[in-house]
Amino acid sequence: QQQVKQSPQSLIVQKGGISIINCAYENTAFDYFPWYQQFPGKGPALLIAIRPDVSEKKEGRFTISFNKSAKQFSLHIMDSQPGDSATYFCAAFDSWGKLQFGAGTQVVVTP
Amino acid sequence: EAQVTQNPRYLITVTGKKLTVTCSQNMNHEYMSWYRQDPGLGLRQIYYSMNVEVTDKGDVPEGYKVSRKEKRNFPLILESPSPNQTSLYFCASRLEVNTEAFFGQGTRLTVV
Repeated sequence: QQQVKQSPQSLIVQKGGISIINCAYENTAFDYFPWYQQFPGKGPALLIAIRPDVSEKKEGRFTISFNKSAKQFSLHIMDSQPGDSATYFCAAFDSWGKLQFGAGTQVVVTP
Repeated sequence: EAQVTQNPRYLITVTGKKLTVTCSQNMNHEYMSWYRQDPGLGLRQIYYSMNVEVTDKGDVPEGYKVSRKEKRNFPLILESPSPNQTSLYFCASRLEVNTEAFFGQGTRLTVV
């Protein structure tokens, strides 16, 4: 059973548009929430991460919004570029170090 | 260069023939883990290790074994592979529990 639920499975966005990916979790023991970006043939790479004492974190064009009471967090990619076309995974750590991943979202940015 | 190295990158094998996928990291990380990636399921943790000689089951450990005799190496062993273990496997390491995880390039395994 997926402990971190991610949506949508895929999305297509035009260059310059905003991509939004949502994740929800149940386990209140999760205390670290990273997002990973994966290109074909490569391993996932950390994109941005947030801890639950912060409601928003921004790094360049990427922003995480975190709603602790709703147990939801989301990734916003502003001014999407063709180079952002990849699969994005949300994830959550628990305090024992187990890392739970969402199912992934394939993002395609059209020129 | 800091990295996690897996070998082989691609492997086709037959049912029941024991195999080992190696994983090595050069960052002196305490924590290492193995994942399998399947379409629509994301990455699922197979086993993890918090330190040398300390290993524990993840979410999908059946059919797999691991060992952690040295800090840098964390091999994944399939004693008797079956077709349902056909998947893309990733090794990852991180310095401590809640820090960035670094992933290897992946091993695509096909069991026929």
